[in-house]
Amino acid sequence: EAGVAQSPRYKIIEKRQSVAFWCNPISGHATLYWYQQILGQGPKLLIQFQNNGVVDDSQLPKDRFSAERLKGVDSTLKIQPAKLEDSAVYLCASSLGGRGRGQFFGPGTRLTVL
Amino acid sequence: AQTVTQSQPEMSVQEAETVTLSCTYDTSESDYYLFWYKQPPSRQMILVIRQEAYKQQNATENRFSVNFQKAAKSFSLKISDSQLGDAAMYFCAYRSDTGTASKLTFGTGTRLQVTL
Repeated sequence: EAGVAQSPRYKIIEKRQSVAFWCNPISGHATLYWYQQILGQGPKLLIQFQNNGVVDDSQLPKDRFSAERLKGVDSTLKIQPAKLEDSAVYLCASSLGGRGRGQFFGPGTRLTVL
Repeated sequence: AQTVTQSQPEMSVQEAETVTLSCTYDTSESDYYLFWYKQPPSRQMILVIRQEAYKQQNATENRFSVNFQKAAKSFSLKISDSQLGDAAMYFCAYRSDTGTASKLTFGTGTRLQVTL
């Protein structure tokens, strides 16, 4: 079974530029998550999708971050414009949903904002 | 809001020995799930073990076991017969069981070193 795919693996941009990350979840997984992991910290949820609807985006900085999940499969996370403090690893995870289901993570995208 | 605390930033264990990683959490909920994830340098988060709060029996997965103390809100991970491949960051995580929101709340992690 293929795992969660993410691209790119690494991205370096200047502040105020825009960047987009892509995630392809495990086939059949209805729930998709984007987490931000700043160096030395645990991941923090940015947004959760159930199929193509948003369940939780309470910690998404909506003035600069946006995410979509068209057709309930792939998802993209965009930052525009980027700030220095956005430097982090962005992790995508997916789950079948339902009680207690574990989340399966992708390899992450390491973003460096200069 | 739920919080997860890992008070050991770093731990070290000799190969073949046993090590215990600590985790405490704070919640007012009665139904929830707890997880331990491993994150090697490749950054991929790998699920190690999970525990349902309504189960009194501690979860085990081969060399990994937990000590779940619900009243004390404690959830420690024991790794037996440690191997070099166990070296990684270990994160304790909490998941609520209410509604459709199912985010994981993570601790700050414990870096485990395995020495020869």
